[in-house]
Formats: sequence, C-alpha cells, structure tokens
Amino acid sequence: GNSVTQMEGPVTLSEEAFLTINCTYTATGYPSLFWYVQYPGEGLQLLLKATKADDKGSNKGFEATYRKETTSFHLEKGSVQVSDSAVYFCALVSSTGKLIFGQGTTLQVKP
Amino acid sequence: DAGVTQSPTHLIKTRGQHVTLRCSPISGHKSVSWYQQVLGQGPQFIFQYYEKEERGRGNFPDRFSARQFPNYSSELNVNALLLGDSALYLCASSLRMGLAGVDYEQYFGPGTRLTVT
Repeated sequence: GNSVTQMEGPVTLSEEAFLTINCTYTATGYPSLFWYVQYPGEGLQLLLKATKADDKGSNKGFEATYRKETTSFHLEKGSVQVSDSAVYFCALVSSTGKLIFGQGTTLQVKP
Repeated sequence: DAGVTQSPTHLIKTRGQHVTLRCSPISGHKSVSWYQQVLGQGPQFIFQYYEKEERGRGNFPDRFSARQFPNYSSELNVNALLLGDSALYLCASSLRMGLAGVDYEQYFGPGTRLTVT
C-alpha cells in the first residue's frame, strides 16, 4: 500500500542554519508529492509540491526534489528563521485521490 | 476570496454523545475531504466527497458518516463518541478530485478541535 515515512523530530536548529527533513514514500505508480506546514494552533498550509520525477518544488526558500530512483522528497532550506518553527508533513496523493501523510516533523529554530 | 471555513472551532462532548462538524469549501470547489489528526500524528483520511457523492472512505468505523450538500458544503457526523475520537478534524477542499500524476491541490481549513470527556 501507499505510505510516507519522515525523519523523527524534533529538529532543533539555530537561526540561519541549513535544514534537511527526510521523507521517503512507498506507492504504486507515480504520485504527486507535497510538503505541508502546520503552525501552532492552525490548520495545514501547502508549502510546495512536485507532480513528476525530477520536478523541484520551491516556496519561501524551501525546496524539495522528486527523486523516483530513491523514492524520496527531502525538504531543504538554506537558512532557517525563528518564524519557520512549525510541524512539517510530507504527503502523497493516492490513485484514488486521498492524501496520505507522514507522521510529521517538528522544527524548532532558536535565535 | 474566503478560504475553507469550519465550525465550530472547538467542541467538548461527553462519551456516547453525537457530534456534527461543518465545512464550507472555497467557492467553486466541488470536492471536500475530511481528515482526523490525533495529537502528535499526521492527518488520517476519513472521507472524500465530489459532486455530492462519496468517492472514498478511510479505515474508520460506521459511527463516522458524512454528506455533501448541493452548495458543496459538507457535514461530518460522529455517533457514540469515544475518548479516542478526541482530535483535530480537518476539512479540505479542491477544485476536482486528485489523481496521481495530475496537478492537484487540497486547501485545508483551520480545523475543529473535538474533546471527548
């Protein structure tokens, strides 16, 4: 079946540090892949997406590349800010149209 | 334009009671999906509706039901509440049903926090 696995958190970084959050998936076919962010007390916001192999999604300094050969979609940012502190979810859309999420990774950025 | 709206924001119920949660999608969106997010976990798919018909159901008991109205708004109903139903319930809308490999975005509402005591 379809599944998404993320690295466990929390991830604690100092401001301006480099961020990587690992995400791997298992799926039939070639699903679209997403990163969502959830700030404290809020719903989910779409951060970026990629719809086919080798696509790079990017937004607000975050990037992720759809790697079919390693079934991965790792999230990166070159210089994190305190305001990036949130929970990040990797997800794929199944062939039936439902989103399947990873367990989430909490990012804490300290000034 | 207004985003996805959900009501109520918070809700406290007692075990065995029934609850109805409501969702209004973004104008023009015809698909609504419901997700349950237990504290510390990722959202789990409950239902998807498109054009007022159920198009998908997750691994949830029959106590959970939903419907979509002609204006595309939706209700999620949960009967005989259990303590384990305490969670954030998220509604998401999209222009159409998502298919693998097709450009697809779901927009989430702020959620309804349900506490069962």
